[in-house]
Amino acid sequence: DAEITQSPRHKITETGRQVTLACHQTWNHNNMFWYRQDLGHGLRLIHYSYGVQDTNKGEVSDGYSVSRSNTEDLPLTLESAASSQTSVYFCASSESVGPGYGYTFGSGTRLTVV
Amino acid sequence: AQRVTQPEKLLSVFKGAPVELKCNYSYSGSPELFWYVQYSRQRLQLLLRHISRESIKGFTADLNKGETSFHLKKPFAQEEDSAMYYCALSESNYQLIWGAGTKLIIKP
Repeated sequence: DAEITQSPRHKITETGRQVTLACHQTWNHNNMFWYRQDLGHGLRLIHYSYGVQDTNKGEVSDGYSVSRSNTEDLPLTLESAASSQTSVYFCASSESVGPGYGYTFGSGTRLTVV
Repeated sequence: AQRVTQPEKLLSVFKGAPVELKCNYSYSGSPELFWYVQYSRQRLQLLLRHISRESIKGFTADLNKGETSFHLKKPFAQEEDSAMYYCALSESNYQLIWGAGTKLIIKP
């Protein structure tokens, strides 16, 4: 069955370190998204991609980067982790045929920056 | 500006009582609206989309363009309905605009 997987599930890192969160989907979706989920803020878009070699900034992109070298993967990199980036991160993908199909989400990565 | 508003951060009802989770939107085009649910420590999953006009797990949601609302309803709440619920609106560029979410607690 097609799926979208995130790794690791949990990560503790130190301030200033570079961290990469993985997202891999086998739905063959062109669109992929990274969100962070924080209490009181709901879901906030970090970066997104509409296809290979395409990446775009979301509303909270500072301190994060992504790359899209193939259809399946959209890794999220925290260049220099900060305590404000402690959060739960969700990856999602969607069809390109129309907006009515909704998103499929990964199970999330809980990141703690100490 | 496009916006999705869920006015209640927390909603607590007794088992067997009716539930209504409110969602209002502002959008200049023809909206595509969704409800997503997140059970404790699980991934978000699609619950309903307005174009399907379906009932999932006893929940229904009707798009009211006059009131710009897409409220989620269930006539008789069950304990397993306790979860975080997000209303979302799809833009033509495949992005979703999210409400802040409502935490639903069903009391026994």
